Amino acid sequence: KAGVTQTPRYLIKTRGQQVTLSCSPISGHRSVSWYQQTPGQGLQFLFEYFSETQRNKGNFPGRFSGRQFSNSRSEMNVSTLELGDSALYLCASSLGGLPETQYFGPGTRLLVL
Amino acid sequence: EDQVTQSPEALRLQEGESSSLNCSYTVSGLRGLFWYRQDPGKGPEFLFTLYSAGEEKEKERLKATLTKKESFLHITAPKPEDSATYLCAVQASSSASKIIFGSGTRLSIRP
Repeated sequence: KAGVTQTPRYLIKTRGQQVTLSCSPISGHRSVSWYQQTPGQGLQFLFEYFSETQRNKGNFPGRFSGRQFSNSRSEMNVSTLELGDSALYLCASSLGGLPETQYFGPGTRLLVL
Repeated sequence: EDQVTQSPEALRLQEGESSSLNCSYTVSGLRGLFWYRQDPGKGPEFLFTLYSAGEEKEKERLKATLTKKESFLHITAPKPEDSATYLCAVQASSSASKIIFGSGTRLSIRP
């Protein structure tokens, strides 16, 4: 069974630009969660989508948004990029959402210059 | 406020030297506690899920235990390939579907 895939794996952007990251969950999984990982803050929850609906949201500004499609694939968008948005962005999928076990993808490394 | 604290921050062991990693949590109603392993530049790899105090789970050289206030990840006779950052996360009833991660323990096993 294929694992969680994320594209692109690496991305370099400049301040003020916007970026869209993609996540394909494990087949059959309906929940996708997004996380930001930085050396200073560790792993922080962004939001969770289940059956195309945002179910929960972490404490991030409105510049961070997401959506989920009918095939459970999910995208995350960050508008007006700031230097502090440089991070590893991880998505995780699970069958029905937390507290079920989540399986993580390899992440997208975003560098904002 | 819900909180997860992992200790130690870093641990260096000799191959074969057993030890334990600690995850202390303060949450209002635990729904689940998760252990992950993360290698540099990669996403976390699932290890265990624990749901209630007294529960234990084992996998190869790893054993996870849970009490009402903390969880331990015991590593028995570790090998160099066990070197990684070990992350603990909890989901609390008060946080709906949000999951809170600890800052991790960087484990290094010397041959």
